[in-house]
Amino acid sequence: GAVVSQHPSWVICKSGTSVKIECRSLDFQATTMFWYRQFPKQSLMLMATSNEGSKATYEQGVEKDKFLINHASLTLSTLTVTSAHPEDSSFYICSASSSGTSRTDTQYFGPGTRLTVL
Amino acid sequence: QKEVEQDPGPLSVPEGAIVSLNCTYSNSAFQYFMWYRQYSRKGPELLMYTYSSGNKEDGRFTAQVDKSSKYISLFIRDSQPSDSATYLCAMSGNTGGFKTIFGAGTRLFVKA
Repeated sequence: GAVVSQHPSWVICKSGTSVKIECRSLDFQATTMFWYRQFPKQSLMLMATSNEGSKATYEQGVEKDKFLINHASLTLSTLTVTSAHPEDSSFYICSASSSGTSRTDTQYFGPGTRLTVL
Repeated sequence: QKEVEQDPGPLSVPEGAIVSLNCTYSNSAFQYFMWYRQYSRKGPELLMYTYSSGNKEDGRFTAQVDKSSKYISLFIRDSQPSDSATYLCAMSGNTGGFKTIFGAGTRLFVKA
């Protein structure tokens, strides 16, 4: 159980275009989804936290107008990188949790999406 | 000072060795402690989950939490080349929001 999928797994795009990444919880309802960014040989950097049906909470330094997050259902969240530039090239990983607001629960990670902006 | 400190390694051991991976932390509010394994270009996968202090064993893996010292460990017995990966510790608690904080990850190489 607790499987999270991401699509696409790998994407190459031209500078200035937008890219959408999907994150799905396949066998549980995810009240909270997280989006991370990871540079080579570095740890996970939390970008934003999203709860189903409400606006995402972005971490300091993350541009909410550039990284659009939508969490429209309990099984799907999307991250759209708008007007992508080469410096946005990175490994983007989502995770999902079934926790409520009163306690924490484990995060289950997707396999990641490698974005390369030319 | 980072909330969670983890030596990035790399750590190289021969096959069959006992591996000890560690993290220290500064926030005494942390109550939930996790270890994740991440293979290259893959998402992290949960290995161990522990609440509060104590030990937890699962096959070749043992997680230890010492809240008095703010120190957690992951032991891998009879290490195998397939254990070669990056191991991330993570922790959370009622720190004014249940945000999970990750360590930097330790890269482990198990040589055949």
